[in-house]
Amino acid sequence: AQTVTQSQPEMSVQEAETVTLSCTYDTSENNYYLFWYKQPPSRQMILVIRQEAYKQQNATENRFSVNFQKAAKSFSLKISDSQLGDTAMYFCAFMKPYSSGGGADGLTFGKGTHLIIQP
Amino acid sequence: GAVVSQHPSRVICKSGTSVKIECRSLDFQATTMFWYRQFPKQSLMLMATSNEGSKATYEQGVEKDKFLINHASLTLSTLTVTSAHPEDSSFYICSAGGGGTDVMKKLFFGSGTQLSVL
Repeated sequence: AQTVTQSQPEMSVQEAETVTLSCTYDTSENNYYLFWYKQPPSRQMILVIRQEAYKQQNATENRFSVNFQKAAKSFSLKISDSQLGDTAMYFCAFMKPYSSGGGADGLTFGKGTHLIIQP
Repeated sequence: GAVVSQHPSRVICKSGTSVKIECRSLDFQATTMFWYRQFPKQSLMLMATSNEGSKATYEQGVEKDKFLINHASLTLSTLTVTSAHPEDSSFYICSAGGGGTDVMKKLFFGSGTQLSVL
């Protein structure tokens, strides 16, 4: 079974600063997917960024980038030029790839980090 | 607009009644549907996975006779909470995956359903 650990229950930074959210995971799989999701007060899950384990290049999406260290099983999220709208819960998640005969597995989530952007 | 539609967004019911929650993929065929539960200030916990053409697979500790999942078509999945009790009160979220064997090509969440059992 996979586990995902987010060791920072809450973080607070000033607007425009850069913040890094940490995530570690444990798995015996070699191929898998990692995700960062944002959950604002509306509770709608919003995909921030995803990374395929077989890709060495770190994924980036505008102000969001990850530092994926496969050997260390670490997957941190960096938010640059943070904005007030970035205030939300952030969940790191793991997913095994689809396997024929076994189908797809769901996401395993970490406990989340409550990120607060101060004006 | 929403890619995955989940209804109702909020439901209040009496203890002992059954509640049905619908999850629809609007513009793609969802070969896999996932159902999660989220208690206040906690993370999402996978309850069950429903792959096309097969029965739902439930996670350990989730009662399949209590949480009935029907993947009626490639665009609709329903979760029925039978004989609901106050401890079933929670936020339920569905997720639909498509794109054939690469479920991650299309993986979207519904907006969730807050169930309150009195």
